[in-house]
Amino acid sequence: EPEVTQTPSHQVTQMGQEVILRCVPISNHLYFYWYRQILGQKVEFLVSFYNNEISEKSEIFDDQFSVERPDGSNFTLKIRSTKLEDSAMYFCAAQRGRGENEQFFGPGTRLTVL
Amino acid sequence: AQTVTQSQPEMSVQEAETVTLSCTYDTSESDYYLFWYKQPPSRQMILVIRQEAYKQQNATENRFSVNFQKAAKSFSLKISDSQLGDAAMYFCAYLGEYGNKLVFGAGTILRVKS
Repeated sequence: EPEVTQTPSHQVTQMGQEVILRCVPISNHLYFYWYRQILGQKVEFLVSFYNNEISEKSEIFDDQFSVERPDGSNFTLKIRSTKLEDSAMYFCAAQRGRGENEQFFGPGTRLTVL
Repeated sequence: AQTVTQSQPEMSVQEAETVTLSCTYDTSESDYYLFWYKQPPSRQMILVIRQEAYKQQNATENRFSVNFQKAAKSFSLKISDSQLGDAAMYFCAYLGEYGNKLVFGAGTILRVKS
């Protein structure tokens, strides 16, 4: 069964540095998502992406965040200047289509900001 | 905005016994989807079961079943014949019919005693 993959599995960075989290969604899926889970807390929606543009974003997704799908396969989340509070697990998810209600999650990237 | 509430931060069950995890939600939509996700210590998000709101029949997947009460906006998960491998965090999640983001509850930690 096709899977969503994410790299790296764990990223450690210094505050103020830029990080790029990568996701390879399932090839025939059209909708892509990033979610965040701060340790011990609930999973929160960050952004959804369809047809090479953002379709919805949450209040968390401020100007420090950006997403793109530069080569038609990788789906990336960039944090320009990381803050301590950005430390969290970041999950990528993919959905086949609007009528297909299941979102397939990747294994997550644990981001630690020191 | 939709909200999902899980009122049980933690539950315990004896191996081979049955346990029920509670979830309530708030929405003004008539059609939507509800999910239970399992998150083991690896923090991978694993779909356990889903329910379409337009279906009156409760979903079942082997030892997992739901009690979906649409009028009460309640969506509980029953785990029968609990196994040690069921120990995890369980999240209830909502997806609107035309929405494109999952809304998660705060989660319930399930401990299974041998």
